[in-house]
Amino acid sequence: NAGVTQTPKFRVLKTGQSMTLLCAQDMNHEYMYWYRQDPGMGLRLIHYSVGEGTTAKGEVPDGYNVSRLKKQNFLLGLESAAPSQTSVYFCASSLQGGIGEQFFGPGTRLTVL
Amino acid sequence: DQQVKQNSPSLSVQEGRISILNCDYTNSMFDYFLWYKKYPAEGPTFLISISSIKDKNEDGRFTVFLNKSAKHLSLHIVPSQPGDSAVYFCAASAKTGANNLFFGTGTRLTVIP
Repeated sequence: NAGVTQTPKFRVLKTGQSMTLLCAQDMNHEYMYWYRQDPGMGLRLIHYSVGEGTTAKGEVPDGYNVSRLKKQNFLLGLESAAPSQTSVYFCASSLQGGIGEQFFGPGTRLTVL
Repeated sequence: DQQVKQNSPSLSVQEGRISILNCDYTNSMFDYFLWYKKYPAEGPTFLISISSIKDKNEDGRFTVFLNKSAKHLSLHIVPSQPGDSAVYFCAASAKTGANNLFFGTGTRLTVIP
């Protein structure tokens, strides 16, 4: 039972390049989330999904796209990376919505040069 | 605008003493509060939560207190242990409608042996 896993763990991009971060969970959770963590800012929600085939915007969605084609996977895409997207990205999942405990992955450290 | 605030970026406590971490919120719609603990290079893990219908919730060495009139909550750890050294995030959500958590900026706790 791996819980929530994220791929890759580290990545360095040049400005304008694109990439996809993969999140997978094996707990059969309906809800999945993508956060970014920046120094002095805490965790901020980028996008979330309340079930397979659904996505919704969070607090800081600009510059990102997401897809939830399978219940266990939640993909975060950067179409044209910018230095402002340098951050640590965390994926999370939960059985319930806002009041449910969220289980987090180990994070992906992304640097955009 | 930060809706959940942790005004102390760091706290140092002697082993065996009490650690008190504080959190303030501004949104009166928040009615569920959680504390997460984060070690370096790992994702946050759930620690304890409290609903707005309670003013205290206890789980072993960890107790969370909620003061709704002051929009303030605190996490007490007694007795503090070196393994408690981590970053602690306060988070809040509203049961109705919302599906996401709002996080504070975190407090780094160091327990000195």
